[in-house]
Amino acid sequence: GESVGLHLPTLSVQEGDNSIINCAYSNSASDYFIWYKQESGKGPQFIIDIRSNMDKRQGQRVTVLLNKTVKHLSLQIAATQPGDSAVYFCAERGGGNKLTFGTGTQLKVEL
Amino acid sequence: DSGVTQTPKHLITATGQRVTLRCSPRSGDLSVYWYQQSLDQGLQFLIQYYNGEERAKGNILERFSAQQFPDLHSELNLSSLELGDSALYFCASSVLTGGATGELFFGEGSRLTVL
Repeated sequence: GESVGLHLPTLSVQEGDNSIINCAYSNSASDYFIWYKQESGKGPQFIIDIRSNMDKRQGQRVTVLLNKTVKHLSLQIAATQPGDSAVYFCAERGGGNKLTFGTGTQLKVEL
Repeated sequence: DSGVTQTPKHLITATGQRVTLRCSPRSGDLSVYWYQQSLDQGLQFLIQYYNGEERAKGNILERFSAQQFPDLHSELNLSSLELGDSALYFCASSVLTGGATGELFFGEGSRLTVL
């Protein structure tokens, strides 16, 4: 069945450093992946997405990398800021037009 | 502000009761999704509606039901509530036509506490 998991539940980084959040997925048929950010008390907010026919996509200070060979997705945040502190979820679109979310990684930015 | 409105923001009720959560999608979005978020389960997909019709179903309990009305707002009905139903319930909408799932815009959620 589909499952999306995260390698690390908590990631602490120093302000200004780069952050890398990893995600493993199991459904090789998934064709679309999204990263979401959820701040405390708020709903998930879209960060960046990538289709399965791509291996890299860049946004503003964020980059998503997709390695279909090992079914791995990562989110890189450049020059991490205190405002980046949140829980980050990866999600995959597999069969049935459903987005399956991972369990989330808590990113803590230390000053 | 995502443009998705959910009410109520907080709800406290007792076991065995029934509640209704309401969602208004972003203007123009035809798809509405419901997700449940609990501490130990993460974001779990419940159900999707597209233009009034059920499009996809996830791990939604039989005690739960949903519908989307002609004005595109949606309601999630939770009945015979149990302690384990305590969670955040999120509604999301999508701009994609045809009901395809893409970028979702989430509301702020309805926090349900069952005592």
